[in-house]
Amino acid sequence: DIQMTQSPSSLAASVGDRVTITCRASQSISSYLNWYQQKPGKVPKILIYAASTLQSGVPSRFSGSGSGTHFTLTITSLQPEDFGTYYCQQSYSAPWTFGQGTKVEIK
Amino acid sequence: EVQVLESGGGLVQPGGSLRLSCAASGFTFSDYAMSWVRQAPGKGLEWVSGISPSGASTYYGDSVKGRFTISRDNSKNTLDVQMDSLKADDTAVYYCAKGMTRHWGAADYWGQGTLVTVSS
Repeated sequence: DIQMTQSPSSLAASVGDRVTITCRASQSISSYLNWYQQKPGKVPKILIYAASTLQSGVPSRFSGSGSGTHFTLTITSLQPEDFGTYYCQQSYSAPWTFGQGTKVEIK
Repeated sequence: EVQVLESGGGLVQPGGSLRLSCAASGFTFSDYAMSWVRQAPGKGLEWVSGISPSGASTYYGDSVKGRFTISRDNSKNTLDVQMDSLKADDTAVYYCAKGMTRHWGAADYWGQGTLVTVSS
């Protein structure tokens, strides 16, 4: 199975900050990498699929990059509503595993 | 409007069985892969099982392989998972999720989840 490792596990940043979350796969997954946001008590929401394609309706301050084994999610200007936990997921090969999550808090 | 709605959760004893169902609407169900994803209390997301659009191919996470069976009925727009030999570690909210075209494992619509509690 492909293991997904996110870093950091948590971070606190100020409104307006640039935030970067990293996700590494245990083997190459091409560009089959997805990012989700989950707020407390809410259902996960897909932000980006295929490593860099923004899901419809997601603000353009979110972007994704990478291929192979190294991927990043960037929030260019953190907004108050961006708090929550972010998960990466590989959809290259079943089982379609998730990373352990990165909790983002607003300072 | 795309909707997926889970049902069937509840309290079950260790070693017992439970069947979850997901009713889908608002899209051509037979065109999309579907998945079950779970989240234990206070923990992260864990992908559990997936099924191809036709139902011919099924996939399982290591923690449930041999105990869970996923199935779908494209004539009724329903997705099921039969969960046997349940353990305390299976306690979680179970989400039904719709896959995306050419990205079967990516989930663009999720249900609200159904809680499964395995306890004596």
